[in-house]
Amino acid sequence: AQKVTQAQTEISVVEKEDVTLDCVYETRDTTYYLFWYKQPPSGELVFLIRRNSFDEQNEISGRYSWNFQKSTSSFNFTITASQVVDSAVYFCALSEMTTDSWGKLQFGAGTQVVVTP
Amino acid sequence: NAGVTQTPKFRILKIGQSMTLQCTQDMNHNYMYWYRQDPGMGLKLIYYSVGAGITDKGEVPNGYNVSRSTTEDFPLRLELAAPSQTSVYFCAGNSRNTEAFFGQGTRLTVV
Repeated sequence: AQKVTQAQTEISVVEKEDVTLDCVYETRDTTYYLFWYKQPPSGELVFLIRRNSFDEQNEISGRYSWNFQKSTSSFNFTITASQVVDSAVYFCALSEMTTDSWGKLQFGAGTQVVVTP
Repeated sequence: NAGVTQTPKFRILKIGQSMTLQCTQDMNHNYMYWYRQDPGMGLKLIYYSVGAGITDKGEVPNGYNVSRSTTEDFPLRLELAAPSQTSVYFCAGNSRNTEAFFGQGTRLTVV
């Protein structure tokens, strides 16, 4: 069975601080996908990144960066120089590695990020 | 493109009533999904479909039914609503090798 754990329920930071969101996963599959989604206060889910289990290279996109470590089953997400607009719930998710499964996701419970001016 | 559209956005149901949550998409997604999100929890998969005429159960299917008569539409039916079905419901769709696009959600309260 697959499981995703986001142990941090809520993180509060002051604007311009960095914030790291932890994600630990469990799966029996040797190949899989990992995702991060953002849910702003308006409620919709916004796709941020997909990573496949073959690729442990870290990724940076603007102020966002992701650290994937297969050895520790972790896929952590860092927001650098946080802004008020980063306030949202962030979900880590896992899926099987098939072409049909990018939407069939096992979600973590989410981490609420609160950025204050 | 409107993307994935859900209606209604909000609904209050009485225990034992039934209703259909509508989901339609104009992105020609083959795959569609229904998730529910309970407070403080992640999303859980209710049902999914890999194409018109094909549906399958997800993690939490009890109390729900779906149909997929067309590629565009994937309605979720609640029969005999119960307070445990109070939740936010999300419909999503994706094509092969693309990420899932989610609708805006339907907030359902059963009283």
